[in-house]
Amino acid sequence: DADVTQTPRNRITKTGKRIMLECSQTKGHDRMYWYRQDPGLGLRLIYYSFDVKDINKGEISDGYSVSRQAQAKFSLSLESAIPNQTALYFCATSGTVTSGANVLTFGAGSRLTVL
Amino acid sequence: SQQGEEDPQALSIQEGENATMNCSYKTSINNLQWYRQNSGRGLVHLILIRSNEREKHSGRLRVTLDTSKKSSSLLITASRAADTASYFCADQGAQKLVFGQGTRLTINP
Repeated sequence: DADVTQTPRNRITKTGKRIMLECSQTKGHDRMYWYRQDPGLGLRLIYYSFDVKDINKGEISDGYSVSRQAQAKFSLSLESAIPNQTALYFCATSGTVTSGANVLTFGAGSRLTVL
Repeated sequence: SQQGEEDPQALSIQEGENATMNCSYKTSINNLQWYRQNSGRGLVHLILIRSNEREKHSGRLRVTLDTSKKSSSLLITASRAADTASYFCADQGAQKLVFGQGTRLTINP
């Protein structure tokens, strides 16, 4: 099994629908992240969580919300999907920072298409 | 935007040649990391260089860091077809990583 599992892997939905992307990890990491990837724009941080009670907005959080249900689970929701949220979404995790280094382990990605 | 720049955006070389990708960042950093992404898949960590280091090696990878110019380069020597992928730099300040836009590398047989 993968260290970081994202579901669904692919989803097509319509404008206005609520969508949830789920992420679970078996690495025992405290820190979890949601990134969005668009062609030519690299990865941009949506939300991140450093432990179960900690939620922080990233660079592009508008239109998204998250829930950290447990140390191993971090879900991303689009309350009312719009076409410009069509993108590839990645969940990532990292362990407690040692010597200041924060190395990420990524899931395989969730491709979302909003029509 | 906090994102740095990567150069070139795309690079196509023959198998066996060396590939060099460059990255610039905007703020002071704790470290700089390079990741690889095969088409449509998750990113995989390749190598990390700390702000007090100038050069680091890992197998066929060589990374340099110039903090005065806020830039880094990744050299892949003796390229192979399997090196075809996108490569991203990510600079880490206090906690978060900020990714560049990536260089798409194609190795031609």
